[in-house]
Amino acid sequence: SQQGEEDPQALSIQEGENATMNCSYKTSINNLQWYRQNSGRGLVHLILIRSNEREKHSGRLRVTLDTSKKSSSLLITASRAADTASYFCATPGGNTNAGKSTFGDGTTLTVKP
Amino acid sequence: GAGVSQSPSNKVTEKGKDVELRCDPISGHTALYWYRQRLGQGLEFLIYFQGNSAPDKSGLPSDRFSAERTGESVSTLTIQRTQQEDSAVYLCASSLERGSPLHFGNGTRLTVT
Repeated sequence: SQQGEEDPQALSIQEGENATMNCSYKTSINNLQWYRQNSGRGLVHLILIRSNEREKHSGRLRVTLDTSKKSSSLLITASRAADTASYFCATPGGNTNAGKSTFGDGTTLTVKP
Repeated sequence: GAGVSQSPSNKVTEKGKDVELRCDPISGHTALYWYRQRLGQGLEFLIYFQGNSAPDKSGLPSDRFSAERTGESVSTLTIQRTQQEDSAVYLCASSLERGSPLHFGNGTRLTVT
């Protein structure tokens, strides 16, 4: 089974609203990464948060990490139609996973203009 | 600079034939990954190469799947005796080192008829 699990599976909002996606994982991590995938394309890295960080910002993105609950959230503020995409979290494992990155099934975000 | 390049971008093959998918990673990236993504689903880990270490093949679904990497450059994923269930997008990614953000190619869309 996948290490990371995102929820909700699908999210539909109006332009200008905020979008929040959550990710849960199972084992210890060194960092957690969020990616975006536009239809028919590869994934693009958005932001990385280390295991000793609790919150990180990048432009309109805000990521939180709670290692005690093994969960992370991605907040996109003031959403735009161009933010429509699928969003995935990925967890490169610790030493036991030899660094391989596993992904969840993603959240499909639709931002209506 | 050049990103991760995958070829072909699309491949249609008949059931039972062998296919070879190619990935050119970013120069200098020591880690290389292959993932499979079925329509509307998340990424399924297949195999991970890290430098000169033995690859992590734990995600390969059957012995019909194999992959090679020449040093820290090109990788090929081979699927023998293809089945219709192999139809998917095969994504390659590379990263500078273990645990670093992944850079993805646009994938090879494989259709087995």
